[in-house]
Amino acid sequence: SAVISQKPSRDICQRGTSLTIQCQVDSQVTMMFWYRQQPGQSLTLIATANQGSEATYESGFVIDKFPISRPNLTFSTLTVSNMSPEDSSIYLCSVDRDGEAFFGQGTRLTVV
Amino acid sequence: RKEVEQDPGPFNVPEGATVAFNCTYSNSASQSFFWYRQDCRKEPKLLMSVYSSGNEDGRFTAQLNRASQYISLLIRDSKLSDSATYLCVVNTATSGSARQLTFGSGTQLTVLP
Repeated sequence: SAVISQKPSRDICQRGTSLTIQCQVDSQVTMMFWYRQQPGQSLTLIATANQGSEATYESGFVIDKFPISRPNLTFSTLTVSNMSPEDSSIYLCSVDRDGEAFFGQGTRLTVV
Repeated sequence: RKEVEQDPGPFNVPEGATVAFNCTYSNSASQSFFWYRQDCRKEPKLLMSVYSSGNEDGRFTAQLNRASQYISLLIRDSKLSDSATYLCVVNTATSGSARQLTFGSGTQLTVLP
């Protein structure tokens, strides 16, 4: 199984500020995925991050709001920029290994 | 119509009961299918993949009907520890492309003593 270390596990942030979430994987992976899970909802893909190229964003998500870095094959960050209360959610990173999707522990973000 | 639709739940069942969850998907080109389990305030974890022939893992049985675009999960002899949210997940990615997982909204199960 893949081990993904995600941090912070939770944060409470002021509106208008930004938060960067980090994910470290225990081995090299080509693609890393970032999801959002709003309260009582299922997971929605934000973007796919490949090392060495720009992330690919899903409809409704833009780079200015959710910039992503992928400096190497074991690490990625997602920044939630200029936050508003609507950004309160759980954010999860994910990788594939042997056809199975593994997830980080999630970052529970509350914007006040 | 949602791409992946699940029973709304919640399901509250006594220990030892048999419970079944259903899921339908709209994209007929979907390639692979899964049930994930998500405990409260935890990340999702794979419970089992779903194969056309149906597959069983202990007390859990998963079925896929491609013609009806329907997936099911049956839990027999339910335990208190089965209490969780069960997510139906469909992969619509074609061979060689990045995964494209679509998640159902989840069905909450509570097993009561």
